[in-house]
Amino acid sequence: EIVLTQSPGTLSLSPGERATLSCRASHSVSSSYLAWYQQKPGQAPRLLIYGASSRATGIPDRFTGSGSGTDFTLTISRLEPEDFAVYYCQQYGSARQTFGQGTKVEIK
Amino acid sequence: EVQLVESGGGLVQPGGSLRLSCAASGFTFRSFAMSWVRQAPGKGLEWVSGISGSGGSTNYADSVKGRFTISRDNSKNTLYLHLNSLRAEDTAVYYCAKDRGVFRSYPLDYDYWGQGTLVTVSS
Repeated sequence: EIVLTQSPGTLSLSPGERATLSCRASHSVSSSYLAWYQQKPGQAPRLLIYGASSRATGIPDRFTGSGSGTDFTLTISRLEPEDFAVYYCQQYGSARQTFGQGTKVEIK
Repeated sequence: EVQLVESGGGLVQPGGSLRLSCAASGFTFRSFAMSWVRQAPGKGLEWVSGISGSGGSTNYADSVKGRFTISRDNSKNTLYLHLNSLRAEDTAVYYCAKDRGVFRSYPLDYDYWGQGTLVTVSS
């Protein structure tokens, strides 16, 4: 099983600032089969990025995914008030999909 | 509009059973693989099980293999999860999720999610 470790656990930032979220895999993720999701309290997750760097339909271009192999990054260029949430990475390069433990982006 | 509506959750005793359903609409159900993903209270996401569009291929997380069974009825546009031998650690909100890609053998990433159904395992 591929273990995904997200860091930091919590990111305290102000609106307008840049957020950089990390997702590190215990083994290489094949074909960059990595996705990022956003989840707000009481809501289902929302797909942001798939294939490590492709934005999902309707996702603003302030969200950027990058990386390959074992190291992946989600960057939010300028935080909007609606971006404060928990973010999860997910790998689906192996038969047993796994999610990271999440990074909470909170208002400073 | 794509909609996924889960049902069937509730309170069940350890060792008990439950069947969850996910009614799908707004897309060609049989063309998309589907998964169940769960979230324990205050915790992160855990993939549970996935199934191909035809229902011919399934896979499971090690934590539920042999206890849970995923299935689908494409004539009813409905996904199921049969939960047996339930344990306290199975307590979670269970989401059904639609694969983003059409005709993929396994669900990979998910562009639509239901709102979830809560399963509580407690005596």
